[in-house]
Amino acid sequence: AQSVTQPDIHITVSEGASLELRCNYSYGATPYLFWYVQSPGQGLQLLLKYFSGDTLVQGIKGFEAEFKRSQSSFNLRKPSVHWSDAAEYFCATSGTYKYIFGTGTRLKVLA
Amino acid sequence: SAVISQKPSRDICQRGTSLTIQCQVDSQVTMMFWYRQQPGQSLTLIATANQGSEATYESGFVIDKFPISRPNLTFSTLTVSNMSPEDSSIYLCSARTGQDEQFFGPGTRLTVL
Repeated sequence: AQSVTQPDIHITVSEGASLELRCNYSYGATPYLFWYVQSPGQGLQLLLKYFSGDTLVQGIKGFEAEFKRSQSSFNLRKPSVHWSDAAEYFCATSGTYKYIFGTGTRLKVLA
Repeated sequence: SAVISQKPSRDICQRGTSLTIQCQVDSQVTMMFWYRQQPGQSLTLIATANQGSEATYESGFVIDKFPISRPNLTFSTLTVSNMSPEDSSIYLCSARTGQDEQFFGPGTRLTVL
């Protein structure tokens, strides 16, 4: 069965530092992969998606993610974190008709 | 993309009552979904709202508790029936576009006393 794992429940980084959030998926075929961000009290906003092609995808707000089939990973990165990036981040994969979400990683940014 | 609105944004309800949440999409979409997000948790799919037919419920969710309507391609409602404190959650509406992207509404924060 499809699954998505986000190994880190909480991550704390200093403002201006680089960021990498981990996501591992389990799926037999080439997966559709997504990263969403949820700010406090808000719904989910799509950051970026991977369907096929170039394995490095660019998203909004300066985020990027790299699909690595050999590692079954789709990690989210940002070179320099801003205080406004503090939020919950969800990795997801698309199955036959529904999305499978990871448990989320809560990002805290220190000033 | 799709812009999704939900009403109400939050509500406080008494045990045993029901609440209907409305979801409006700014364009016609093929699929609409309802999720529950309990405090500090990830998203759990309640059901897929099908236009013109009964919703498809996930394991652990039943129509009597969470009746869903979808009268057209831009609108859906979710009712949380006979509420108990365990139903306190954020309820999120979602829509999938033809590009297989899924967009979410801002959520309805429900507190049951």
